[in-house]
Amino acid sequence: SAVISQKPSRDICQRGTSLTIQCQVDSQVTMMFWYRQQPGQSLTLIATANQGSEATYESGFVIDKFPISRPNLTFSTLTVSNMSPEDSSIYLCSVWDHARPGEPQHFGDGTRLSIL
Amino acid sequence: AQKITQTQPGMFVQEKEAVTLDCTYDTSDQSYGLFWYKQPSSGEMIFLIYQGSYDEQNATEGRYSLNFQKARKSANLVISASQLGDSAMYFCALPTGTASKLTFGTGTRLQVTL
Repeated sequence: SAVISQKPSRDICQRGTSLTIQCQVDSQVTMMFWYRQQPGQSLTLIATANQGSEATYESGFVIDKFPISRPNLTFSTLTVSNMSPEDSSIYLCSVWDHARPGEPQHFGDGTRLSIL
Repeated sequence: AQKITQTQPGMFVQEKEAVTLDCTYDTSDQSYGLFWYKQPSSGEMIFLIYQGSYDEQNATEGRYSLNFQKARKSANLVISASQLGDSAMYFCALPTGTASKLTFGTGTRLQVTL
């Protein structure tokens, strides 16, 4: 399976600032996703990162708050903009690298983000 | 719409015993699959096992197996011979069609005791 490197692993940020999270894969993958996991909660999909075009956002998430880039098939970034304490979460990228049933999504180790 | 339900917020099991973690689902797809993931306290998501709706046999992967009851729309994870390292959150997840977007259950926190 693909090896996924996510950076930073954790950060503490001031409210009102922005942070960009990087997700690097060691092979080309079909699809990349970004999830948010609020404290004590399950994972919620933020968006699907599309190579060479705008990301597809889920209900409740907007591009102005969570801009996403995917310049190629191995790399994506998620920016958390104008952060508030409610944005304190674990952010995870995942990849799906084979278009066949049963192939699981593989996740990066996550970014633990705390907003002061 | 896809829906996944995990009704056990927390479970305890003694080391070396077996434990079953419940997962029920609702989907309008005729063909679908279910995934189980483990999340240790360090935060990473680890894929455990997959069950396809048309698989003839229940999935098994080492100490992990699925009790898949399609008519009841349940896919319970069975962990045999529990180990202390099994202490973690466990999530059941259902993909949405061909897009493979995952809908996760609320999770079950498993604690393995001596």
